[in-house]
Amino acid sequence: AQSVTQLGSHVSVSEGALVLLRCNYSSSVPPYLFWYVQYPNQGLQLLLKYTTGATLVKGINGFEAEFKKSETSFHLTKPSAHMSDAAEYFCAVRPLYGGSQGNLIFGKGTKLSVKP
Amino acid sequence: DTAVSQTPKYLVTQMGNDKSIKCEQNLGHDTMYWYKQDSKKFLKIMFSYNNKELIINETVPNRFSPKSPDKAHLNLHINSLELGDSAVYFCASSQRYQSATDTQYFGPGTRLTVL
Repeated sequence: AQSVTQLGSHVSVSEGALVLLRCNYSSSVPPYLFWYVQYPNQGLQLLLKYTTGATLVKGINGFEAEFKKSETSFHLTKPSAHMSDAAEYFCAVRPLYGGSQGNLIFGKGTKLSVKP
Repeated sequence: DTAVSQTPKYLVTQMGNDKSIKCEQNLGHDTMYWYKQDSKKFLKIMFSYNNKELIINETVPNRFSPKSPDKAHLNLHINSLELGDSAVYFCASSQRYQSATDTQYFGPGTRLTVL
């Protein structure tokens, strides 16, 4: 079965510092990959997704992620953190085949804190 | 305009009661979903549904049942509520059924507390 691992349940950075949130997936066939953000007491919002094509994907709010097949990774980065980036970030995969096709499988989330 | 809306936002109830959460999407999407987010923020699919097929996650108790009066609505009914049902429930929708590339749009969530 597909699974998603997010390293670090909590990441803390200073304002202006690099943000790096890690995501690895387990699958012999690379799935489609997504990053969602959840602000406090709100629903999930899509940051970016990788389906096909260029492996470096740019999303909203200055975030980007790079799909690396050899490392089965899809890490999320932002060059300079803002206070408004503080939120919970979820990596998700969507299998291309099988009974779960179409359903999102989420990692356990990483809470990002930004210090002034 | 809200793309995916849920009501109520908060629901507090006693064990053993039956309750419903409503979900509506105005995106014209074919497929809707219910997810459960537990106290550790872990999100898990419960159901995916279009007007032809319901796919149930096998771990979901049969006390939970989705009901769709039309393509724009997918309500979640829960019978005989238990303490472990306390969670945040998210509704979502996407354009096509079982399309791996389509974005899923999420509602704001319903926080259910069972006392």
